[in-house]
Formats: sequence, structure tokens, C-alpha cells
Amino acid sequence: DVKVTQSSRYLVKRTGEKVFLECVQDMDHENMFWYRQDPGLGLRLIYFSYDVKMKEKGDIPEGYSVSREKKERFSLILESASTNQTSMYLCASTTGGYRNQPQHFGDGTRLSIL
Amino acid sequence: AQTVTQSQPEMSVQEAETVTLSCTYDTSESNYYLFWYKQPPSRQMILVIRQEAYKQQNATENRFSVNFQKAAKSFSLKISDSQLGDTAMYFCAFGPNFGNEKLTFGTGTRLTIIP
Repeated sequence: DVKVTQSSRYLVKRTGEKVFLECVQDMDHENMFWYRQDPGLGLRLIYFSYDVKMKEKGDIPEGYSVSREKKERFSLILESASTNQTSMYLCASTTGGYRNQPQHFGDGTRLSIL
Repeated sequence: AQTVTQSQPEMSVQEAETVTLSCTYDTSESNYYLFWYKQPPSRQMILVIRQEAYKQQNATENRFSVNFQKAAKSFSLKISDSQLGDTAMYFCAFGPNFGNEKLTFGTGTRLTIIP
């Protein structure tokens, strides 16, 4: 089975801090994604990556950056955390190519910015 | 840009009953994929069912089935003989046929199965 592991289930940080959320997948997937989940808004795509060192902005990239130095690892960075970034963050991965294969999700990181 | 609409924020049904979750979408593409994902409380999001738009036959996975109406751009999920373990958030998602595998998600339906 595919395993997508997010480094923390719960995280509390202060405004202005630089925050790193880590995600690792063990199935050699080409594509990796970071989503933000908020009540009433569903999942919104922040960034995704389709290869090492490749990234594309999603729907809400402002205030975030990403890094993918190795195929299995995709990091989300909050450059200067703000209270409106308090949310659940989900990482996902999928194999590349046609036919839109299902995404596999991690357990999520519930991030609180105080 | 594609949009996905789930008009039922919350639903509840008695155990063993059948329930249908609604989803509509908007796209100008002719071929694409549709998904239902399930997120149990405090647990990982998992795929429930996947439908390829060029296939007319509705997808089925055990107690889960879809009613795919391409012309109406409707993709509802039917859960038969509902069980307590079906309690979860359910998300409908649209995926393009080509490109980068990005999904567009709906806002979700919180389903509660009542014992």
C-alpha cells in the first residue's frame, strides 16, 4: 500500500515564524500536492510538483512556498506565518501520466498560528 | 476553470438505510475523471470511487455506486445499507484527462450514520 507520511499531526507556531511542513511518500510517485482544508471551503490546492525541483502554483499560493529536492519528499514552507494560515494541511501523491490516477493522502497536519 | 458543487453540507441517516450525496460540476472538457473521497473523523482521506467520463456505465464498489449524468454534469454517490463506519466527510472531485493530475474538490458533505 502507498504510504504518505506527514511529519506532524499537530503543530503550534507563532506569527512571524518560518514554518516547515514535511511530506514523504514511499511509492516513487511523480506528482505531489499540498492542500489546505477549511470548513465550508473543502480542499484548496496550494502548490503541486510533478518532478524533482519542479513546482507549480495552485489556487492559493500566496504566503507559501515549496521545495522538492528529492522525489519522495515535498515540503511546504510558510515564510512568515500569520493567523489566517491556521488550518488543516493535507499532502497527497499520485503517479504521473494520463488517466488521472487517484491521489493518496497523508493524515494531515493541523497547524495553529498564535 | 472547473467548479465542483456539493449542495448538502450535512446529512444524516439511520443505519442500514440508503443515502445519496449530490455533486454537480462545470467543465467545457469532453473527457475527464470524477472521484468521491471519504475522510473519516481524524483519519486519512481515502478514495471511494472513480468514474471515467467516457464510460457510460456507472462505477460501483461494493455498497457504493454512482449515478453519472454527463449531460446534466451530475455525479451523485449512493451508499446502500449504510454502516456506522460510513460516518465521514465526503468530497466530490473533478480531474482532467490530460496534464498534471490536478483535482478540483467540492466543499464536502458531512454524513452521519445514526445507530
